[in-house]
Amino acid sequence: AQTVTQSQPEMSVQEAETVTLSCTYDTSESNYYLFWYKQPPSRQMILVIRQEAYKQQNATENRFSVNFQKAAKSFSLKISDSQLGDTAMYFCAFMTPMNYGGATNKLIFGTGTLLAVQP
Amino acid sequence: DSGVTQTPKHLITATGQRVTLRCSPRSGDLSVYWYQQSLDQGLQFLIQYYNGEERAKGNILERFSAQQFPDLHSELNLSSLELGDSALYFCASSVADRGIYNEQFFGPGTRLTVL
Repeated sequence: AQTVTQSQPEMSVQEAETVTLSCTYDTSESNYYLFWYKQPPSRQMILVIRQEAYKQQNATENRFSVNFQKAAKSFSLKISDSQLGDTAMYFCAFMTPMNYGGATNKLIFGTGTLLAVQP
Repeated sequence: DSGVTQTPKHLITATGQRVTLRCSPRSGDLSVYWYQQSLDQGLQFLIQYYNGEERAKGNILERFSAQQFPDLHSELNLSSLELGDSALYFCASSVADRGIYNEQFFGPGTRLTVL
């Protein structure tokens, strides 16, 4: 069974600084996707960034980038130039794409990291 | 706005009662997923429907059931409610073609409080 582990329950960063959130996962699948979701106080789930396992290049979305280490099963999120609006719970998630063999697109989430950006 | 709608936004009920949560997926999406977010269990997958058929089950209690109707909206039914069922229930939808990436778009959630 796939598992996702986030070992940092809470983190804090000063505005404009850089912070890295950690995530490890366990799977025997070769084809999968990894995600970081943001959940602000509004509770809306917002997709921040996605990484395909077959791609060696790390995904980047503006100030957000990942460090994907497939062999180590590690998937960290780096937030550069942190802004007050980045304050949120961040969830790492794993998915195997739906196929005829039974994989279903369901998301498996870690326990989350609560990030506070301080002014 | 993700395009996924959930009603009601908030629901307060008593133990032993039964409630129905409703989800309308984005136009064109065939798959609907239900997730539960609680303090005890975190965010966990409950069940998936694909074009009206149950596709996968996660940690869904026997007291809970769901269905997807011909117009593709879905309902999650929770019965014999217990205090521990208090949670935020998310619905998500995706196109869900097999073998390719399908982003899941989340609704705003239904906050259920069982007193």
